[in-house]
Amino acid sequence: EADIYQTPRYLVIGTGKKITLECSQTMGHDKMYWYQQDPGMELHLIHYSYGVNSTEKGDLSSESTVSRIRTEHFPLTLESARPSHTSQYLCASSESVHTEAFFGQGTRLTVV
Amino acid sequence: AQSVTQLDSQVPVFEEAPVELRCNYSSSVSVYLFWYVQYPNQGLQLLLKYLSGSTLVKGINGFEAEFNKSQTSFHLRKPSVHISDTAEYFCAVILAQGGSEKLVFGKGTKLTVNP
Repeated sequence: EADIYQTPRYLVIGTGKKITLECSQTMGHDKMYWYQQDPGMELHLIHYSYGVNSTEKGDLSSESTVSRIRTEHFPLTLESARPSHTSQYLCASSESVHTEAFFGQGTRLTVV
Repeated sequence: AQSVTQLDSQVPVFEEAPVELRCNYSSSVSVYLFWYVQYPNQGLQLLLKYLSGSTLVKGINGFEAEFNKSQTSFHLRKPSVHISDTAEYFCAVILAQGGSEKLVFGKGTKLTVNP
């Protein structure tokens, strides 16, 4: 069973609020990823990290930001939430790019 | 150009029938290939992967896939499906670009197994 956790699982929040989606893994993986997925749709890579103090933007432009101060923690922040941010956010980690990526159960965000 | 293409967005089949979910990849990506499954309201779980070696790869739950370099394909197969195989299936590749490597996914194929 994968040791990667996302909180909260579900979040409903008002427009303009600042939110942070948490992602933690206990496997000591260097590589971590954030994907955005609309219901029944493909996954879009929005951020990734190769290790502490390393973050890169993914293929899909996102107004969110990430940080990687500790190996096990890769939070995603939205400074001012908008309805267009409504989506599911999936966090993943892997030992290297070429090995299996383990996924959290996701955070389903609704901005009203 | 799309790095990975899943040709079928939806595949309905009857229980105990064979199934093939198609995936083609761009020749510009590295040949590290994966299939993941996503059950409703869950994250993704690895089914199988091809990194090197034998072109026929066996995974969990009776699934297998064959790497075909000449056709740049990595189709997923199962000889006899169960109701519990109903899920979304994603093909993924490692995309090397600008000195970095990223795991990118296809658009997914929704497999529905009917009784």
